[in-house]
Amino acid sequence: SQKIEQNSEALNIQEGKTATLTCNYTNYSPAYLQWYRQDPGRGPVFLLLIRENEKEKRKERLKVTFDTTLKQSLFHITASQPADSATYLCAPVQRDNFNKFYFGSGTKLNVKP
Amino acid sequence: DGGITQSPKYLFRKEGQNVTLSCEQNLNHDAMYWYRQDPGQGLRLIYYSQIVNDFQKGDIAEGYSVSREKKESFPLTVTSAQKNPTAFYLCASRLGTSGAADEQFFGPGTRLTVL
Repeated sequence: SQKIEQNSEALNIQEGKTATLTCNYTNYSPAYLQWYRQDPGRGPVFLLLIRENEKEKRKERLKVTFDTTLKQSLFHITASQPADSATYLCAPVQRDNFNKFYFGSGTKLNVKP
Repeated sequence: DGGITQSPKYLFRKEGQNVTLSCEQNLNHDAMYWYRQDPGQGLRLIYYSQIVNDFQKGDIAEGYSVSREKKESFPLTVTSAQKNPTAFYLCASRLGTSGAADEQFFGPGTRLTVL
């Protein structure tokens, strides 16, 4: 069965450092992969999308990589700030069913001042 | 302002009661989704709809029902058959263009508690 794995342990880093979050998937052939941010008690908010033929995507302080051989996506936040503290979810989207979304359980990021 | 609204924000239900959670969007999106989130857990797909008058079960549809009579509305009913309904419920929509890699827009959620 399809499985999406994100580190369930919280990631604690110091302000100004780079945070790196991992999303691994199995039994999937995603055409693209999305990353979302979720704050406590709120709905997720879309951040970035990367397609299977793209190795890397950047948006301001955010960078996403996608390695279809390793079946892994990495999400980086450079120069992290306390306001970046949230839970980050990944969602690989299967190539033969763009309408059915599955999300990883998310990794909580804590950025300490 | 365009977006997704969910109501109510908090809902309390007695055991054995059915309750309906509202989800409305004015984004003109074709696809709509319902997810359940338990504390410290990820999102689990309950139902999704790609077009009016059509919907499909997700992974945890048992004890839930939906309807999609209008493009902008996708209400979720939590029936008494759902044994453990206390959770945070999220509705989402996306443009849904065939083959397009468009993102989901989420509502603010409804927190359901069974008393």
